[in-house]
Parts: sequence; structure tokens; C-alpha cells
Amino acid sequence: GESVGLHLPTLSVQEGDNSIINCAYSNSASDYFIWYKQESGKGPQFIIDIRSNMDKRQGQRVTVLLNKTVKHLSLQIAATQPGDSAVYFCAERGGSNYKLTFGKGTLLTVNP
Amino acid sequence: EPEVTQTPSHQVTQMGQEVILRCVPISNHLYFYWYRQILGQKVEFLVSFYNNEISEKSEIFDDQFSVERPDGSNFTLKIRSTKLEDSAMYFCASTTAGSGNEQFFGPGTRLTVL
Repeated sequence: GESVGLHLPTLSVQEGDNSIINCAYSNSASDYFIWYKQESGKGPQFIIDIRSNMDKRQGQRVTVLLNKTVKHLSLQIAATQPGDSAVYFCAERGGSNYKLTFGKGTLLTVNP
Repeated sequence: EPEVTQTPSHQVTQMGQEVILRCVPISNHLYFYWYRQILGQKVEFLVSFYNNEISEKSEIFDDQFSVERPDGSNFTLKIRSTKLEDSAMYFCASTTAGSGNEQFFGPGTRLTVL
């Protein structure tokens, strides 16, 4: 079946370094791809999304890259801070009801 | 900033009992969702609700589950006869109409079935 998955389950970085979290997807029909951040005990929090007809989008300290050729999505976090420590999920959105299909999540740990 | 709220934050119940999880979506939103997350796993779609009816549901959303929007603000998820495997975090989400709009998630309800 169609799925969204992550290459790395955990990522540990030093404060100030850049972080890259990767995700593979299989549903070519999805129109949006989204990154969510989930802190312990909280609901997913929207970080950034990208439309399927784009290959790059930048936000504040975050950049999402979409490679449709290899069905790959990545989230880059610049100058990672301890507050960035969380689980990051990629998700794809498709269909008329805009439901989200989530990947498994990557735990990002930022060491001071 | 408007937010999705959920109550209770934690619900403990006995197997076979009925539970109702409550959500107040953001007021001008039109699409409502329930997702669940079993501990340590990914977030899974349960059901979407639009125009006062279910618009899509997953295989998880069987006859034991139901949703309602009893008034203009609340959105509920009922599990009629809980099973041990229903233990999870349940998240409500909402969004406005339009393909470019993000889904806002509530803080979740942790359901523990004993």
C-alpha cells in the first residue's frame, strides 16, 4: 500500500549545527507534504509544508526540499537549538478531505 | 492565537466501557479530524468530518467508533466498548476549506484501557 516513511529513527546533533531529517514517500498523487514537530506530551505542531509542484520552500530557520524524481522529502533546520529537540514527522496530504498520512517519526536530540 | 482544545487530557477506563472524547475545533474551521497515536508509533488517521457527516474513515474506525458534532462548537469521538488496544493518544484536528491550509492539532487525550 501507499506509505510515508523515514530513513532515520534518531538524530543527535550539537547545538548550533544544522540538522537534516529525511523522509521517503510513495504516493505520487499527494498534493502537499508537511513537516510536523511533536514535543513530549503534545500534539503535532505544523512547521512547514510544500506543494507538490515546488522543490524547495524556506521558512524561519527551516527549509523543506522535495525531490519528486526519487520521492524524497527533507527538513533542514539551521543553527539547531535545544528547543528543537522533538520528534519530527513528515506527512502527506491527499484527497478531497485533506486527510494526513504520517510517517514514523525521527527523534531529534540537540546536545548543548 | 486560536487553538484546538481537547478534554479530558487523560481518561482511564475499564475494558468494555464507553468513552467520549471531546474536542473544540477552531471556530471558523470546516473540516474536522480524529487521529490516534499508539505509544511510540506514528500518528494514524481515523476519520474526517465535513458538513455534518463523515467524509472519510480508515479501517481502524470500525462500528465501535462514532463521531458527532452536537452543536456549533464541540466535536466528539465515542468508543462504545473499549478494548485494550484502544489505549492511545487521540488527537483532534481541524482546518479551513481549501487545499493550502494547515491542520491544527489539539493537545490530545491519553486513553488508557485497563
